Amino acid sequence: NAGVTQTPKFRVLKTGQSMTLLCAQDMNHEYMYWYRQDPGMGLRLIHYSVGEGTTAKGEVPDGYNVSRLKKQNFLLGLESAAPSQTSVYFCASSYGSGHQPQHFGDGTRLSIL
Amino acid sequence: AQTVTQSQPEMSVQEAETVTLSCTYDTSESNYYLFWYKQPPSRQMILVIRQEAYKQQNATENRFSVNFQKAAKSFSLKISDSQLGDTAMYFCAFMKHSNNNDMRFGAGTRLTVKP
Repeated sequence: NAGVTQTPKFRVLKTGQSMTLLCAQDMNHEYMYWYRQDPGMGLRLIHYSVGEGTTAKGEVPDGYNVSRLKKQNFLLGLESAAPSQTSVYFCASSYGSGHQPQHFGDGTRLSIL
Repeated sequence: AQTVTQSQPEMSVQEAETVTLSCTYDTSESNYYLFWYKQPPSRQMILVIRQEAYKQQNATENRFSVNFQKAAKSFSLKISDSQLGDTAMYFCAFMKHSNNNDMRFGAGTRLTVKP
């Protein structure tokens, strides 16, 4: 039982390049989330999904797109990477919303040059 | 907007002693959830404890307990019998009941347990 798996773990991009971060969970969770973590700050919600085929904006959605074509996968895309998107990205999933605990992946460290 | 403030960027405690981490939050909501998450050097976020605002009783999980003061909008975490494995960043988080997918985190407190 792997839990939440993020791919890749590290990546360096040049400004303007695009890429997709993959999050996969094997717990049959309905809810999935993408966060970013910057130095001196807590995690901030980028986008989330409450089920297959649905997505919604979080606190900091600009510059990112997401897709949830399969229940177990939640993709985060950067169409044109910018240095301000240098961050550590975390994916999480939960069985339900509210007080249900979120299970986190190990994070992806992304640097934009 | 909801804000979560952790006023202690760093703290340290001797092994086996007790330490309390502070958290305050600002909201106009009456029903919400509060959480403490731990992030060890391995970077993975781990839920430590959670509290529902409508429950007056403070949550407890083994050596971890909270002091929830709703009127003061305060949610502190007490770690008893500190262990070396408790060394980590600790994040306080808030979630409205009315929008229970949007969790807001504080900036974190770095706790070091000294042998």
